[in-house]
Amino acid sequence: DTAVSQTPKYLVTQMGNDKSIKCEQNLGHDTMYWYKQDSKKFLKIMFSYNNKELIINETVPNRFSPKSPDKAHLNLHINSLELGDSAVYFCASSLRMTQYFGPGTRLLVL
Amino acid sequence: KNQVEQSPQSLIILEGKNCTLQCNYTVSPFSNLRWYKQDTGRGPVSLTIMTFSENTKSNGRYTATLDADTKQSSLHITASQLSDSASYICVVSAKSGAGSYQLTFGKGTKLSVIP
Repeated sequence: DTAVSQTPKYLVTQMGNDKSIKCEQNLGHDTMYWYKQDSKKFLKIMFSYNNKELIINETVPNRFSPKSPDKAHLNLHINSLELGDSAVYFCASSLRMTQYFGPGTRLLVL
Repeated sequence: KNQVEQSPQSLIILEGKNCTLQCNYTVSPFSNLRWYKQDTGRGPVSLTIMTFSENTKSNGRYTATLDADTKQSSLHITASQLSDSASYICVVSAKSGAGSYQLTFGKGTKLSVIP
């Protein structure tokens, strides 16, 4: 069984659209994260949620909003997509220090 | 400003050889240092995590070292295999307040193991 899953795996959309990426973890972890990996393969943390509370919020545009309906899910909603949003988005979860990453969602904004 | 620098940027080695990847950081207050392996098209996978008091940790053929005084870490891969071809990312965690922490990522070293 997949520990951290993301959907969709690929997402191609036009500028200005609103899209969501879903993430689920079945590990019972308390903390979940969203990362963005750009074309240069540089990983940047965007958000993390601990027991439904935002505890890290890096300086990302407010077009990005994380939504956590329960401890096992942390979805990422993006409004008014821009070309620069094209990247791979990784969801992760952790218990204590070890993080487990999802397979990534490849977003392409045209 | 917290920074993590990795070297080399890329590395090509023959199968069966050993190699060492470097990570220098200027992160404080230091909490822990992690090494991740990221295969092409996949998410990162944790290899090792070391806190301030640990100076070496092994995971199979991977051995990480930490010198908290000089703020350097290395990842040594023994008897490399083709499946070791991946990007290796160094991540340093700093405490940034009550119950929270900040992760600083290196840009990774891309390792290619060739037959």
